[in-house]
Amino acid sequence: ETGVTQSPTHLIKTRGQQVTLRCSSQSGHNTVSWYQQALGQGPQFIFQYYREEENGRGNFPPRFSGLQFPNYSSELNVNALELDDSALYLCASSPPDRGSYEQYFGPGTRLTVT
Amino acid sequence: QKEVEQNSGPLSVPEGAIASLNCTYSDRGSQSFFWYRQYSGKSPELIMSIYSNGDKEDGRFTAQLNKASQYVSLLIRDSQPSDSATYLCAVPLDTGRRALTFGSGTRLQVQP
Repeated sequence: ETGVTQSPTHLIKTRGQQVTLRCSSQSGHNTVSWYQQALGQGPQFIFQYYREEENGRGNFPPRFSGLQFPNYSSELNVNALELDDSALYLCASSPPDRGSYEQYFGPGTRLTVT
Repeated sequence: QKEVEQNSGPLSVPEGAIASLNCTYSDRGSQSFFWYRQYSGKSPELIMSIYSNGDKEDGRFTAQLNKASQYVSLLIRDSQPSDSATYLCAVPLDTGRRALTFGSGTRLQVQP
């Protein structure tokens, strides 16, 4: 167990709807990254938050947005859901050592868009 | 765009054998390398990190890094059926963000 928690575990949404996924980072970890993992693929970086500010973004459209709160928990919001958004969404936290690239993943949220 | 390449497998080995998983990466400047294990339906779990050329051993796992050849491997000695999983290789996305770019993973099957 990494100490990273995510909710909900599973979610089914309809195309065009909006969804919010939540993550609590490991104690003491102030950096949270979100990844999307499609079936049979490795995780793809969506964006990262450090001290409540977005600290970089992968190749995802603006309808993917996020927040980080003062307690370092985070949300991922996806608007106008598309069928291709069906995937496992992973939250990962990183220790405060700025030289460390280690990522510790939560259990993930399985999103199905119909 | 950094790339990480892995053979998708499945790699099938008998119980007790050595499993060898391989990964190549495109960015010669990469300095950190990570192996994650992912069981079916679960999230990735960090099992090894390596930062310098040579071997790093942790229990039954050995990571090997050759920066000149841009090649990193993971050896699993005395493979067990519980080692059956997908193994993901990852390198840092870039120096500004502490995020990773992953290969698509190699599926390992250990036959009892």
